[in-house]
Amino acid sequence: SAVISQKPSRDICQRGTSLTIQCQVDSQVTMMFWYRQQPGQSLTLIATANQGSEATYESGFVIDKFPISRPNLTFSTLTVSNMSPEDSSIYLCSVVLIQKNIQYFGAGTRLSVL
Amino acid sequence: GEDVEQSLFLSVREGDSSVINCTYTDSSSTYLYWYKQEPGAGLQLLTYIFSNMDMKQDQRLTVLLNKKDKHLSLRIADTQTGDSAIYFCANRGGATNKLIFGTGTLLAVQP
Repeated sequence: SAVISQKPSRDICQRGTSLTIQCQVDSQVTMMFWYRQQPGQSLTLIATANQGSEATYESGFVIDKFPISRPNLTFSTLTVSNMSPEDSSIYLCSVVLIQKNIQYFGAGTRLSVL
Repeated sequence: GEDVEQSLFLSVREGDSSVINCTYTDSSSTYLYWYKQEPGAGLQLLTYIFSNMDMKQDQRLTVLLNKKDKHLSLRIADTQTGDSAIYFCANRGGATNKLIFGTGTLLAVQP
């Protein structure tokens, strides 16, 4: 399995500010993803974090709002920019291990925007 | 697009078996997964099944896959109060290699 460290675990932020979430994995992974889980909802894929290049965003998500970095195989960041209360959600990092088809999730970052 | 559906709620008594169902539309699925989410926690991978299998058993968990009907189920034997959680079915599409999640089933175990 993989140990995924996601920081911060929770935060309360003011409208208009930005928050950067970090994801660190203890194993070599092929793919890293960022998901959003709105209150009482299922998970929605935001983007695939690509090493050394721009992330691949899903429909409805844009780089200006959710810039993502992945400088190496085991680390990625997601920034939630210019936040509004509608961004209050759980944001989850997820990885697929090399030579495996198993996808693991971090514990998530619980974000509340006032 | 691909779709994954689950019933929203299931209530069982402690000691009974629970069966959580899932249907999907992507016929090119490669792997199907079951995740558990306890209140305030992230997602815990419970089990997964490759699309060319029809059953997988892991201790109290039994996964059944009917690929023809695109139906997946998770059976939990001897359900305990600690099994109370939301259970998500997820499907890895063969074309996109992305994980598509179901709506989640809230399992409530009555003592």
